Parts: sequence; C-alpha cells; structure tokens
Amino acid sequence: GEDVEQSLFLSVREGDSSVINCTYTDSSSTYLYWYKQEPGAGLQLLTYIFSNMDMKQDQRLTVLLNKKDKHLSLRIADTQTGDSAIYFCAEPSSGGYQKVTFGTGTKLQVIP
Amino acid sequence: GAVVSQHPSRVICKSGTSVKIECRSLDFQATTMFWYRQFPKQSLMLMATSNEGSKATYEQGVEKDKFLINHASLTLSTLTVTSAHPEDSSFYICSARPSLAGGPGTQYFGPGTRLTVL
Repeated sequence: GEDVEQSLFLSVREGDSSVINCTYTDSSSTYLYWYKQEPGAGLQLLTYIFSNMDMKQDQRLTVLLNKKDKHLSLRIADTQTGDSAIYFCAEPSSGGYQKVTFGTGTKLQVIP
Repeated sequence: GAVVSQHPSRVICKSGTSVKIECRSLDFQATTMFWYRQFPKQSLMLMATSNEGSKATYEQGVEKDKFLINHASLTLSTLTVTSAHPEDSSFYICSARPSLAGGPGTQYFGPGTRLTVL
C-alpha cells in the first residue's frame, strides 16, 4: 500500500524560509498534495503538483518534486506566525472514490 | 468557498453510550464523504468512505458495527460511535468531495469533532 513519511516537527524564525520534506512510495501517483491544518481545525488543500512537473510556485509557496527519489518538498518563503500549523503531504490511494493517503504530518512552529 | 460543517464540535460521553457526529456540506452536493480519525501524534487515518444511497466502504481494521455510517442525502453523512469506550476518544474529521468535482484532491474538510469517552 501507499506509505507517506514526513519529519514530525520544524521550528523556524519569523521571516526565514521553511522547508517541509516528504517521501512517498507510489511512483504511479499522477499528482501529490500539500494540506495545512490549523490548531483544532480540519484540513485545507494548500496546493498540488502534477507528477510531470518538477516545480510549482504559488506566491510564497514553492513545491519541488523529485520523482526519481520519490521526494516532495514544500518551501514557504518569509514564514509568518500565521503559517504555524501542521502540514500534510498526500498522494492518491488505491481503491477508488478519489481517496487520499496522508503523510504523518509536520508541525511547523514559527518563532516571532 | 465550499464549507463543510461538523456537529458537535466537542462531545464528552460515558463509556457504553453511543455518539452521533454529523457532517454537512453547506453549499454544495457531495456524493462521496470521507471519515477520518486523527491520533494524538498527528497522523490522519481514513476510516471509511461514505456514498450517498449506498453502504459505506470501510478501511481494513475498522469495525463497521462499531462505527456506523449513514449517508442519507447529498449534503449529510453521519458517523455513530456505538458503545463508546475510552480508546475511542479521538478527533474525528469528515471531508466531502463535490459531486461536480473540481481539480485534483478536491475535498473539503470539516473542522473536526473532539470525542472524549470517560
């Protein structure tokens, strides 16, 4: 089955860049996602990248995809305190119904 | 934007009782809804896929008689935790996939329900 791994915790200072890393196992995934979960809340889709792309940029967010190493990263430029949250990478899972397998989540702490 | 609500947001119950959690898509129709359970160390586990008008599809290891799912309409799915025990205490999150789906990964998540079983 699909397996998606992330480091559990990242701490950065306000204004610095944050890089959250993820490794996945299913090389046939057509796209990969990044979700954000703020404290006590549900998940919000931040961005996604198609597997035929190496990079996608969306304002302060940059997603890098290394298909050879099955490695995905999310870079947040000029990190703000409002970026403090848990970030999940995810890939489509088998079984239909557009199911998604989530990574273990990385808790980002932004220090003022 | 699309909004998914959950009710209640927080519930405390005694061991042995049943608890019903509602998931509603407020401004769109959702043929498919998903129920997740989030453990203290953050990981999100898919419990079941709920389809309007048919039986839910449960993930391996999830007891269907313990976690009853009903998707009676295109805007409402319910999860009932029957005969709850302290180990069922968790954060339960639903998501809804619009019937007229958007781009990849289009699922809208509810804010979650914190269940505490005493």
